[in-house]
Amino acid sequence: DGGITQSPKYLFRKEGQNVTLSCEQNLNHDAMYWYRQDPGQGLRLIYYSQIVNDFQKGDIAEGYSVSREKKESFPLTVTSAQKNPTAFYLCASIDGGKISGNTIYFGEGSWLTVV
Amino acid sequence: GENVEQHPSTLSVQEGDSAVIKCTYSDSASNYFPWYKQELGKRPQLIIDIRSNVGEKKDQRIAVTLNKTAKHFSLHITETQPEDSAVYFCAASKRSSASKIIFGSGTRLSIRP
Repeated sequence: DGGITQSPKYLFRKEGQNVTLSCEQNLNHDAMYWYRQDPGQGLRLIYYSQIVNDFQKGDIAEGYSVSREKKESFPLTVTSAQKNPTAFYLCASIDGGKISGNTIYFGEGSWLTVV
Repeated sequence: GENVEQHPSTLSVQEGDSAVIKCTYSDSASNYFPWYKQELGKRPQLIIDIRSNVGEKKDQRIAVTLNKTAKHFSLHITETQPEDSAVYFCAASKRSSASKIIFGSGTRLSIRP
């Protein structure tokens, strides 16, 4: 069954800790994205990657880091430098290379709470 | 830079009436415009999309219209039902490459019984 898998669904972070959110896709998509969503707000782009071993900062990259060592995987690390990380995090991928083009596939999301 | 503006931010309509949500985009090269519905605590779900080579697309009670000259597109929901209550997001992107997809800020739609 193809799709995007995010884990964990719920995560608690202590002050000063780094935590990593996992995102895996078996759709053979080149482009992958991380969005942050605060309660009642829209989607803000953190980082995106259009190809393996390459990624670009989005609008709110400070305090976050990513890697793209494999096509299937795009993990997001929330570092201690991110002072207000409590939010809903969504990973997405896009089939930009196909005729149907740019359909976004979202993972189920990860809730991160600072304790 | 690239921008998508969405209005209104909240919308309340009587059950059975129509709802209209509007978006404008800044990048004239944008050619793909999807609409997403997000229920509380869940991922956004694609409900309809339109490409720049057409002006209107309809799927049952949902329709989207596109005006390329004015750079705006709209979502129309007719005969609204309680299950239509959710947050709706528009987006714009260029299909020529896996470029950034720019989302609107969202509209919270409430259907009054």
